[in-house]
Amino acid sequence: GQNIDQPTEMTATEGAIVQINCTYQTSGFNGLFWYQQHAGEAPTFLSYNVLDGLEEKGRFSSFLSRSKGYSYLLLKELQMKDSASYLCAVRYNTDKLIFGTGTRLQVFP
Amino acid sequence: EADIYQTPRYLVIGTGKKITLECSQTMGHDKMYWYQQDPGMELHLIHYSYGVNSTEKGDLSSESTVSRIRTEHFPLTLESARPSHTSQYLCASSDRGLGFVNEQFFGPGTRLTVL
Repeated sequence: GQNIDQPTEMTATEGAIVQINCTYQTSGFNGLFWYQQHAGEAPTFLSYNVLDGLEEKGRFSSFLSRSKGYSYLLLKELQMKDSASYLCAVRYNTDKLIFGTGTRLQVFP
Repeated sequence: EADIYQTPRYLVIGTGKKITLECSQTMGHDKMYWYQQDPGMELHLIHYSYGVNSTEKGDLSSESTVSRIRTEHFPLTLESARPSHTSQYLCASSDRGLGFVNEQFFGPGTRLTVL
C-alpha cells in the first residue's frame, strides 16, 4: 500500500537549522514534493526531487534517496515566519499525489 | 503567484442542504483536483480531472460529485450535506507538460461546517 511518515511536530529557535524527515512506501514513484502550509491557508510548493541527491533553493534544501524511500527538507537561518506545517507528498503513476500528515514546525525567538 | 480561487471560503449549513463549492483557475491548466483535509490530518484526493468532460474519483471515497464543463472551472457538489461532510476542501490544478515539475497549485480552501 501507499504510506508516508513524517514527524508530527518539531520545534527550533530563530536562526537555527532544522531537518524534517520523510519516509515513504509507494508504487509507481514519480517524484517527491515538499509543501509549506500556514494555518488556515493553502499549501504552497517548496521543492521537488525526482532523482537522488540534494536540491538547494535559497534557505531551503531537499534531499532524496529513492533506494531508501527517504527524503528530508532542510531549513536554514530559521525565521519566525517559517512556523508552519511542512507536507511531504509523493507523486505516483502520472500525477496523483499522496500526502503525509505534515510536520508542524514552531520557531521560537 | 498561483491564480486559483475558491468560493465560499467559509460555509455553515444545515443538514440536508445541497451545496456547491466553486473552484476556478486562470492558468489554463488541464489538470484539476479536489482534496479533503481534516484538522491535523493529511490531504486526501477525492476527485480529479485531466481536462474538459473528464472526471475521476480519487483515493478517498466521497459522496460529492464534480463536473468539468470548462477548463477553468471545477465545481464540487454535495446533494445532501451531512455533519460527516464537515471538513476543509482544497482545490488544486497543475499543468500537463512532460519533463517538468508540474507542481500542483492550491486554492485557499473552503471550510465547510454542516450542523
